[in-house]
Amino acid sequence: GAGVSQSPSNKVTEKGKDVELRCDPISGHTALYWYRQSLGQGLEFLIYFQGNSAPDKSGLPSDRFSAERTGGSVSTLTIQRTQQEDSAVYLCASSPPWVGSTDTQYFGPGTRLTVL
Amino acid sequence: AQSVTQLDSQVPVFEEAPVELRCNYSSSVSVYLFWYVQYPNQGLQLLLKYLSGSTLVESINGFEAEFNKSQTSFHLRKPSVHISDTAEYFCAVSAGEGGSYIPTFGRGTSLIVHP
Repeated sequence: GAGVSQSPSNKVTEKGKDVELRCDPISGHTALYWYRQSLGQGLEFLIYFQGNSAPDKSGLPSDRFSAERTGGSVSTLTIQRTQQEDSAVYLCASSPPWVGSTDTQYFGPGTRLTVL
Repeated sequence: AQSVTQLDSQVPVFEEAPVELRCNYSSSVSVYLFWYVQYPNQGLQLLLKYLSGSTLVESINGFEAEFNKSQTSFHLRKPSVHISDTAEYFCAVSAGEGGSYIPTFGRGTSLIVHP
């Protein structure tokens, strides 16, 4: 079956513009995560969705970042008024219906965002 | 809160040599441990994980990791590496009851296998 897909694969934008990054999780996966991967910094957790529960937004770095998940499936990460420090690879991952901390995450290929 | 430390940002090694990628964690509750691999221009994929039971876990491509509770470590090893093992390796930890179910990742170790 299809894996996690993300679009676009690459996005170049100018400082101050808004961007939207899309994630299509694996069908049937109820958990969805967004991470940011900066060079040499590992994966930084941004936000977590689990079914119809309120999302865990504890990792969002500022109020310029927001995310939504429609119909429990597709998710969009929005960055408003982009800054150069937002340049990174944004990764999406999904997991099967929640059984606790033992979930394996399935990652998409990422969106490379470059803010000029 | 839990944390993960990968001490080596880069590990160069010759083909067919053994390798160890180090991972140490901290947590106040029981943990689950993961190693993910990211091949060039690809997404992360699970390599192996420790949930419970035997402290030694193995992957299908010859890697193994051992959970050592006293040393709070989960080092990844392979007795003989191949060129195709060149990739970025990430250690991750999630917590059991009372802790954070959201995995925390280390900064990654770049394994570079030379011919």
